[in-house]
Amino acid sequence: KNEVEQSPQNLTAQEGEFITINCSYSVGISALHWLQQHPGGGIVSLFMLSSGKKKHGRLIATINIQEKHSSLHITASHPRDSAVYICAVPPPYGGSQGNLIFGKGTKLSVKP
Amino acid sequence: NAGVMQNPRHLVRRRGQEARLRCSPMKGHSHVYWYRQLPEEGLKFMVYLQKENIIDESGMPKERFSAEFPKEGPSILRIQQVVRGDSAAYFCASSSLRGRYEKLFFGSGTQLSVL
Repeated sequence: KNEVEQSPQNLTAQEGEFITINCSYSVGISALHWLQQHPGGGIVSLFMLSSGKKKHGRLIATINIQEKHSSLHITASHPRDSAVYICAVPPPYGGSQGNLIFGKGTKLSVKP
Repeated sequence: NAGVMQNPRHLVRRRGQEARLRCSPMKGHSHVYWYRQLPEEGLKFMVYLQKENIIDESGMPKERFSAEFPKEGPSILRIQQVVRGDSAAYFCASSSLRGRYEKLFFGSGTQLSVL
């Protein structure tokens, strides 16, 4: 079983701060997902990455396959970034597309 | 250009009743996934379907739960004889699966409450 650990569990930041959320997993994978769950419950897929780094607007995701670790960075944070951020990985045997193991999430609150 | 559509948004059932949750994937997507999020817990994979086929149901409870994705119409997650422990948010996602791993597009979820 692939264990997924996220840190921190909760994070409060001031608007404009640089934010880092971490995700570690126990078994090697081929791809990792970062998701955002809004306060209303809706889920948006932010990134899917298998190596290196991806950037979209103020969001940057990095992954280190050897160290089994990924980070999600938010630059110039804004109150609208307040959400739960979830990382997810496939099970160690590969499994089917979409059969993911999810972290418990990092609840981010950005204060104005 | 509608995204993944789930309905109903909220569903209230009494113990012993049946719950039917619907999911229409994004246009052009033929792969659907169902997930459950229990209160204060993380998301859990339930089932992966393609049109008319169940590909992976390893996360589905063995009893009372079933899923289908017919040739025409939405995917349905059906829960028979609901119990209070079934109260949760149920999300579906879809993908086009052009490659081995594809970005998932999620619906807004159905919040099931069992009285």
